[in-house]
Amino acid sequence: QVQLMQSGAEVKKPGASVKVSCRASGYTFTDYYIHWVRQAPGQGLEWMGWINPNSGGTNFAQTFEGRVTLTRDSSISTAYMELPTLTFDDTAVYYCAREGLNSIDYWGQGTLVTVSS
Amino acid sequence: DVVMTQSPLSLPVTLGQPASISCRSSQSLIYSDGISYLSWFQQRPGQSPRRLIYKVSNRDSGVPDRFSGSGSGTDFTLKISRVEAEDVGVYYCMQGTHWPYTFGQGTKLEIK
Repeated sequence: QVQLMQSGAEVKKPGASVKVSCRASGYTFTDYYIHWVRQAPGQGLEWMGWINPNSGGTNFAQTFEGRVTLTRDSSISTAYMELPTLTFDDTAVYYCAREGLNSIDYWGQGTLVTVSS
Repeated sequence: DVVMTQSPLSLPVTLGQPASISCRSSQSLIYSDGISYLSWFQQRPGQSPRRLIYKVSNRDSGVPDRFSGSGSGTDFTLKISRVEAEDVGVYYCMQGTHWPYTFGQGTKLEIK
């Protein structure tokens, strides 16, 4: 069965960076884009961007363009989201999710990133 | 970006009664292939979102048939025929026709 397993919760200081991983299993990793979605505490879902695991090509929402880096290591079926220079506003749960029919069909369990001094 | 507007934002429902959530987009969601890429997601408390409906009206595997989706163009609806306790959570619509994908604000369904 399709699974997306994300790395564990992180606590970071303002100005630090965070890198979240997302390991895929149960399907051919390079056949489906991976999306990243952010959810601030008590808030809704915000689409951040996607990566094409086959080519490494990426696309971002304007809010995150130039700030977020999406990469992948196809040899271990893992996608990564890196966010530098964290601020308190970056405190959120970050989800990876699989593209499915111009939609999102499977989600990871989420990674809570807390920015605290 | 396409703005997705849901209503209501809060939906108290009696067990066994129907519920309906509206989602309106600021642009038509009809893609060049004639398909509207509108999806519905359920997020139970403390859980990741789960897709219920894709391409307006197609239920995902394992989704109870009390959930149904309808609509076209810019106006879409998610209906629950008889609300059960396990349906408590927040429901989001999402469009995948235009980049970037965008979500509605969410509708919180609770039991009266």
